[in-house]
Amino acid sequence: EAAVTQSPRSKVAVTGGKVTLSCHQTNNHDYMYWYRQDTGHGLRLIHYSYVADSTEKGDIPDGYKASRPSQENFSLILELASLSQTAVYFCASSDGTIYEQYFGPGTRLTVL
Amino acid sequence: SQLAEENSWALSVHEGESVTVNCSYKTSITALQWYRQKSGKGPAQLILIRSNEREKRNGRLRATLDTSSQSSSLSITATRCEDTAVYFCATDAGGNYKYVFGAGTRLKVIA
Repeated sequence: EAAVTQSPRSKVAVTGGKVTLSCHQTNNHDYMYWYRQDTGHGLRLIHYSYVADSTEKGDIPDGYKASRPSQENFSLILELASLSQTAVYFCASSDGTIYEQYFGPGTRLTVL
Repeated sequence: SQLAEENSWALSVHEGESVTVNCSYKTSITALQWYRQKSGKGPAQLILIRSNEREKRNGRLRATLDTSSQSSSLSITATRCEDTAVYFCATDAGGNYKYVFGAGTRLKVIA
């Protein structure tokens, strides 16, 4: 069964600190995505990647970096965390052909 | 403005009733997806409907697509308490594998 895991599941960070969220997929999918979810905004795309060692900007990339060191792993990096980045972050993978994304369980990030 | 959006923020129905969630979008699409997100979980796809399809079914779920009005609906029949969730529509924003999600409709099924 398709599987996307995220770590940590929950994190409290301080303003100005560095935060790294990790995602691992065992689906053998080429496409991976990072979204953030805020109440009333649904899911918004931050970064995505369709091949290892390459990332693309999504709709709201400011303040975030992404890294795809291998097909299975995709990280989201907040170099200087801010209060406005408090949200739930979801990673997803897709094979790019059947228009279905498989989502991880999410990471709840609180920046204080 | 959002490229995909559901037309209701929240709905409440009694168990056994039917309910319909509507979605509108603003760009040409290759496909539209309906997702369900239960509390504390990631979204899971329910139905994929391609732009050349008008209707798609999956058990108690039925999705329709009207490309002329750029709208879609998801109907759930014989609702159950476990259908309580947020329902999203998502489009492929023109086929470049970037997906755009609506804000979601919160459905509560009351026993």
